[in-house]
Amino acid sequence: NAGVTQTPKFQVLKTGQSMTLQCAQDMNHEYMSWYRQDPGMGLRLIHYSVGAGITDQGEVPNGYNVSRSTTEDFPLRLLSAAPSQTSVYFCASSYWPARVGTEAFFGQGTRLTVV
Amino acid sequence: SQQGEEDPQALSIQEGENATMNCSYKTSINNLQWYRQNSGRGLVHLILIRSNEREKHSGRLRVTLDTSKKSSSLLITASRAADTASYFCALPPSGTYKYIFGTGTRLKVLA
Repeated sequence: NAGVTQTPKFQVLKTGQSMTLQCAQDMNHEYMSWYRQDPGMGLRLIHYSVGAGITDQGEVPNGYNVSRSTTEDFPLRLLSAAPSQTSVYFCASSYWPARVGTEAFFGQGTRLTVV
Repeated sequence: SQQGEEDPQALSIQEGENATMNCSYKTSINNLQWYRQNSGRGLVHLILIRSNEREKHSGRLRVTLDTSKKSSSLLITASRAADTASYFCALPPSGTYKYIFGTGTRLKVLA
């Protein structure tokens, strides 16, 4: 079991460039989400998905797109990178959280710098 | 806006002492979870407490939940240098599927 795999681990982009952060999980989890972590801000939810074909916005969705064509993959797209998107990005997955709550498994993060 | 607010923001203690951190929240919840993050790494789940539970133990961890005060505390007993990390509470608010994390407590355990 690989768990949650994020690629790349590090990335430097120029302002205006686009890119996709990859996230894959092999635990057959329905729920997947993307967070960004900035110093002193904790984790902020960008987008989440409760199953293939279903996505929704989190707290800070502007400038990011997601899609969920399979249960395993949940890529995050930066449409036109801005310096304000410099951050560490984490992908997480869990079984259907709904009313009960189950533990979330996190990837190791992608450290993105936009210059 | 963040649902969970941890305090203190930072805590420094000697090895062997107990560490207590608190999480306050604003809306009703079905459960609350605590996670640990070692520097630069992904978060790791520690413990989950349901809204109908008041206290839960796991090894050196003790979690309490007071739904009337909308607060939870995490106690780490007999701390070790390896406990140095950031600790976050996480709340899946009732009626939504959004897992929201607090701002975290940075714990430093001095050997």
